[in-house]
Amino acid sequence: AQSVTQPDIHITVSEGASLELRCNYSYGATPYLFWYVQSPGQGLQLLLKYFSGDTLVQGIKGFEAEFKRSQSSFNLRKPSVHWSDAAEYFCAVGSGTYKYIFGTGTRLKVLA
Amino acid sequence: NAGVTQTPKFQVLKTGQSMTLQCAQDMNHNSMYWYRQDPGMGLRLIYYSASEGTTDKGEVPNGYNVSRLNKREFSLRLESAAPSQTSVYFCASIVGPHSGNTIYFGEGSWLTVV
Repeated sequence: AQSVTQPDIHITVSEGASLELRCNYSYGATPYLFWYVQSPGQGLQLLLKYFSGDTLVQGIKGFEAEFKRSQSSFNLRKPSVHWSDAAEYFCAVGSGTYKYIFGTGTRLKVLA
Repeated sequence: NAGVTQTPKFQVLKTGQSMTLQCAQDMNHNSMYWYRQDPGMGLRLIYYSASEGTTDKGEVPNGYNVSRLNKREFSLRLESAAPSQTSVYFCASIVGPHSGNTIYFGEGSWLTVV
């Protein structure tokens, strides 16, 4: 069955430090992969997505993600975190024609 | 530029009461979704509507019903609310039948059942 795993429930980093959020997926075919961000009290906003081609994908707010088929991973990175990046981050895979499977989320805390 | 709009934003219900969550999108999208979000569970799909006139069950449909009223609107109904339905509910939409499409979310509806 298709699934998405985000192994880190909470991550704390200092402002200015680099960030990597992990995402592993299980999907039989070539996956469509997404990262969404949710600020407190808000809906989810797309950061970036991967369909095919270049395995390093650039997104909004300075985020990037790398698709590694051999590791079934799609980790999200940012070189220098800002206090405004504190939020919850969700990885998702497009499963079939209409369905999207979301991970359980990683809550990011940024220390000043 | 409203996107996906859902109402109400907050609601408290007593066990056994019924209510309907309303959702409308103005992006001319074909497919619409209802998710619930619970701590540690991520987003779980309740129902979706691939196109106007069709609805299908997701992962957690029990206790809910939906109506795709027209292309713009997709409502979620709780017929007899239970405390287990305390959650944050999100409506979402995509342009069409392709799992690579971006999902656009509403801002959420916080429901408490006491």
